[in-house]
Amino acid sequence: DSGVTQTPKHLITATGQRVTLRCSPRSGDLSVYWYQQSLDQGLQFLIQYYNGEERAKGNILERFSAQQFPDLHSELNLSSLELGDSALYFCASSVGSSGRVGDTQYFGPGTRLTVL
Amino acid sequence: GDSVTQMEGPVTLSEEAFLTINCTYTATGYPSLFWYVQYPGEGLQLLLKATKADDKGSNKGFEATYRKETTSFHLEKGSVQVSDSAVYFCDRPGQNFVFGPGTRLSVLP
Repeated sequence: DSGVTQTPKHLITATGQRVTLRCSPRSGDLSVYWYQQSLDQGLQFLIQYYNGEERAKGNILERFSAQQFPDLHSELNLSSLELGDSALYFCASSVGSSGRVGDTQYFGPGTRLTVL
Repeated sequence: GDSVTQMEGPVTLSEEAFLTINCTYTATGYPSLFWYVQYPGEGLQLLLKATKADDKGSNKGFEATYRKETTSFHLEKGSVQVSDSAVYFCDRPGQNFVFGPGTRLSVLP
């Protein structure tokens, strides 16, 4: 158990819909990272938050957004869903923020999103 | 820019075989290097790490030595088990947060 929790574990929805994925980091970790993992594209970094502020942005679509709340949990919002958004979405957390140099990431179990 | 190059899979071995998964890096300076493992149906988890040149990381029978001469951090295990079947990711933390595709290992009984 990494200490990172993600809900829900599975999510099935239809194209055009909007969903919210939730992540609670390990106690004491200030950074939260979101990743998308699909069969054909591997593990893609989406976005990082550190102590409530956006710190780094990766290949995140404009239809996707995220935020980190004062209690440090984070939500990833996916809207206007398309079939191609079906994937595993992982959240990770770490103590620091400096580009992860020497900073271990702890991954949650993931949310499997299926868009029909 | 700084990056890692990892051997592509899949790799299929019989139980008790010797495992090597190659990883080389390019970087300015001597960054920390990590191996993560992703078991089926789970998220990634840190397997081992080395924070400076000549360090050896080890865990669960796996080892990797940070070799600055060859800029490598190859993952090795002397005798793999079926339970080692997973995807392995070599990682050099940095601003780009890129994980490669990983190397899928299948160990057959």
